Amino acid sequence: DIQMTQSPSSLSASVGDRVSITCRASQNIMTYLNWYQQRPGEAPKVLIYAATRLQSGVPSRFGGSGSGAEFTLTISSLQPEDFATYYCQQSFSVPRTFGQGTKVEIK
Amino acid sequence: QLQLQESGPGLVKPSETLSLTCSLSGGSIKSNSDFWVWIRQSPGKGLEWIGNIYFSGDTSYNPSLKSRVTMSVDTSRNLFSLRLSSVTAADTAVYYCARQTVVISSHYYFDSWGQGTLVTVSS
Repeated sequence: DIQMTQSPSSLSASVGDRVSITCRASQNIMTYLNWYQQRPGEAPKVLIYAATRLQSGVPSRFGGSGSGAEFTLTISSLQPEDFATYYCQQSFSVPRTFGQGTKVEIK
Repeated sequence: QLQLQESGPGLVKPSETLSLTCSLSGGSIKSNSDFWVWIRQSPGKGLEWIGNIYFSGDTSYNPSLKSRVTMSVDTSRNLFSLRLSSVTAADTAVYYCARQTVVISSHYYFDSWGQGTLVTVSS
């Protein structure tokens, strides 16, 4: 199985801050990497697919970068509704695997 | 807009079989480009992909669960199902059904999710 490791596990930030979350894969997964946002009590929601492509309807302050084994999710200006947990997920091979999550909290 | 809804018992006894159904509305399960997926989430193991099924009945399961998992599809009722046998407390989780869609160059992702259903394994 491909292991996905996110850092940090949690972070505190203020509204308007620029935030970056890193995801590392245990092997080269090219750009087969997706990012999800999960708010408490809700199902995950896809933000970014294929490492850099913004899902329809997702605000442009979300951006993805990276290829190979290292990826980054960036929120350019954190909004109140962005306080949530973020997960990366590889779609390079089966079984699909997720990172352990990064919780973004209000400072 | 596609909606998915999980249903099934919220409490299952140890050693018994967990059975869940995911009903689709606003879309057809007989989509050539989509797979239908079960994912679970527990505090101890995070998000875990259980497996997927195509409308033809072709399946792919997580090797860690393969010996206990069966997925099926009912195209006439536009739903798919999960059975997980010989459950233990470690199977307690929120279970989600979802759609895995595909875009350019075989990039797959989960773009529609059910709300999730909590299944507790306890006597």
